[in-house]
Amino acid sequence: GAGVSQSPSNKVTEKGKDVELRCDPISGHTALYWYRQSLGQGLEFLIYFQGNSAPDKSGLPSDRFSAERTGGSVSTLTIQRTQQEDSAVYLCASSPRGTGTGFNEQFFGPGTRLTVL
Amino acid sequence: GESVGLHLPTLSVQEGDNSIINCAYSNSASDYFIWYKQESGKGPQFIIDIRSNMDKRQGQRVTVLLNKTVKHLSLQIAATQPGDSAVYFCAENFNQAGTALIFGKGTTLSVSS
Repeated sequence: GAGVSQSPSNKVTEKGKDVELRCDPISGHTALYWYRQSLGQGLEFLIYFQGNSAPDKSGLPSDRFSAERTGGSVSTLTIQRTQQEDSAVYLCASSPRGTGTGFNEQFFGPGTRLTVL
Repeated sequence: GESVGLHLPTLSVQEGDNSIINCAYSNSASDYFIWYKQESGKGPQFIIDIRSNMDKRQGQRVTVLLNKTVKHLSLQIAATQPGDSAVYFCAENFNQAGTALIFGKGTTLSVSS
């Protein structure tokens, strides 16, 4: 595919369960970002991967949130012991270059809508 | 904390009118700005960007204006169409390693026929 893909598109889970959200960035893009968008709100930065550098985790709201990026491509965002306030749309974006290297157009996936009951 | 904001959460216009969506930012170090459009159920879609060394940039039916003196960004849409109805976000970035885009809360544009 030409764009960023995310799976699943929708996830409903029970409070306390763990969830994994997947992002497939555009091939060749070195930078990958995760954002969270609560209902009616803007995008909240969560984590940023750039090449082989250590990720910028400064946006993760708690230690229940973690993410990894294997082989510099696919990324998985994991939320452990989900809470109702975790309900949101989780958006992934990729960029051909990382922040700090000039223009930084980010291409977004369609998002995963997470509902925690 | 959030450094990018919008003046109006909603904007309603008639088809064919010109639309102006405004955004204020607080970080004078920001050097790159983007406008995104987000339709219901979809991820944000890039519209147009501008670097801090410019004050105006034009695309197809869209123009972005940057006023660094008052830290203000605007998006002008000419001859607005129903398909332009969406939420519009401005975002800023400053050229530092490890810094992602900072988004405002968005303006919902409604275009009526």
